[in-house]
Amino acid sequence: NAGVTQTPKFRILKIGQSMTLQCAQDMNHNYMYWYRQDPGMGLKLIYYSVGAGITDKGEVPNGYNVSRSTTEDFPLRLELAAPSQTSVYFCASSYSSDTGELFFGEGSRLTVL
Amino acid sequence: GQNIDQPTEMTATEGAIVQINCTYQTSGFNGLFWYQQHAGEAPTFLSYNVLDGLEEKGRFSSFLSRSKGYSYLLLKELQMKDSASYLCAAKDSNYQLIWGAGTKLIIKP
Repeated sequence: NAGVTQTPKFRILKIGQSMTLQCAQDMNHNYMYWYRQDPGMGLKLIYYSVGAGITDKGEVPNGYNVSRSTTEDFPLRLELAAPSQTSVYFCASSYSSDTGELFFGEGSRLTVL
Repeated sequence: GQNIDQPTEMTATEGAIVQINCTYQTSGFNGLFWYQQHAGEAPTFLSYNVLDGLEEKGRFSSFLSRSKGYSYLLLKELQMKDSASYLCAAKDSNYQLIWGAGTKLIIKP
């Protein structure tokens, strides 16, 4: 009963390095999302996807890229990491866009030094 | 602009009742969600309201007034495990979720 699986759980990056946060879901959900959560602020949408091959920018896409080659996987790429990208990242999926509840991964805590 | 307001922190006593309020301003409206998030964990779904009124689910209830842009989450018979942050989120006309910063609920014995 995996649900949404994110890796890694923790990572420290140096400024300018790049990395990919992995996200996979086994619920056959079409909709997938990447959020970041900063202290004292609401979740901010980075990118989302409504199905394989389709991605779109959210509220805070700068510095990130995504791809959706399969229904299951939705990796988030950080290029040229900056201290402002220090955050907790959550991947989520849902069955539908209207009433569908979001199922979240456990989160990835990223620190950029 | 779009905005969700909820109190930053609330304290309540074990066994008591607490009401967490949320007001929202969104471009269009397609439902109001409440999520629970324990420290260091992912948010988990609690409730969804799209029509005015009260939805009851065990010890938790959620209320919505669309005309007032207002919702509340009511927690009864509080338990220590209810200590968590409670996130209010509204879906706008594009079905995108706008999230509040969360209300940290502290339960005291």
